[in-house]
Amino acid sequence: DGGITQSPKYLFRKEGQNVTLSCEQNLNHDAMYWYRQDPGQGLRLIYYSQIVNDFQKGDIAEGYSVSREKKESFPLTVTSAQKNPTAFYLCASSRGQITNQPQHFGDGTRLSIL
Amino acid sequence: GDSVTQMEGPVTLSEEAFLTINCTYTATGYPSLFWYVQYPGEGLQLLLKATKADDKGSNKGFEATYRKETTSFHLEKGSVQVSDSAVYFCALSDLRGGSNYKLTFGKGTLLTVNP
Repeated sequence: DGGITQSPKYLFRKEGQNVTLSCEQNLNHDAMYWYRQDPGQGLRLIYYSQIVNDFQKGDIAEGYSVSREKKESFPLTVTSAQKNPTAFYLCASSRGQITNQPQHFGDGTRLSIL
Repeated sequence: GDSVTQMEGPVTLSEEAFLTINCTYTATGYPSLFWYVQYPGEGLQLLLKATKADDKGSNKGFEATYRKETTSFHLEKGSVQVSDSAVYFCALSDLRGGSNYKLTFGKGTLLTVNP
């Protein structure tokens, strides 16, 4: 079945450490997105990519970095510059920007600080 | 900018009760509207959508009508079940002439249905 796979499901980060969250999709979608979810805050957009080798900052990009070298993959790195990284991270994809296609979500990665 | 406001929870109902979760929006373009559902420990699933004024989205007994005159997209279900317990998010996308496709979310409403 087609879908979005996020790994790991749980991740722990030490102070000063960078960590990378994986997101892979086999839906043949052009666009991919990373969101951060905090209790009572809804979802906030970190980065998005509409095509391979191109990505744009979302509303809260500081302390995060991404790459889009393959259509299927959109990894997110939480750097040591992100001072409050504890959150639930969701990856999503969609067919693209031309039509109002819904976004499909993975099951998320919960990041905690040790 | 675009924004979505939905009723704050938590909402607690008994099984077979009627559900309404209010959602209003502000957008500068011609948005599409969505309801997503999130079960504990999982990602979001699309519940229903509407892409133009007066459209009604429906799925699994849930309905919502795109009301441009009141800028609203309220979610309703006639008889809720325990399995409907989840967090519900209202969202909009504003194409702004096709240059960007971003979803703006409300803060979510936690629904608990008791047997």
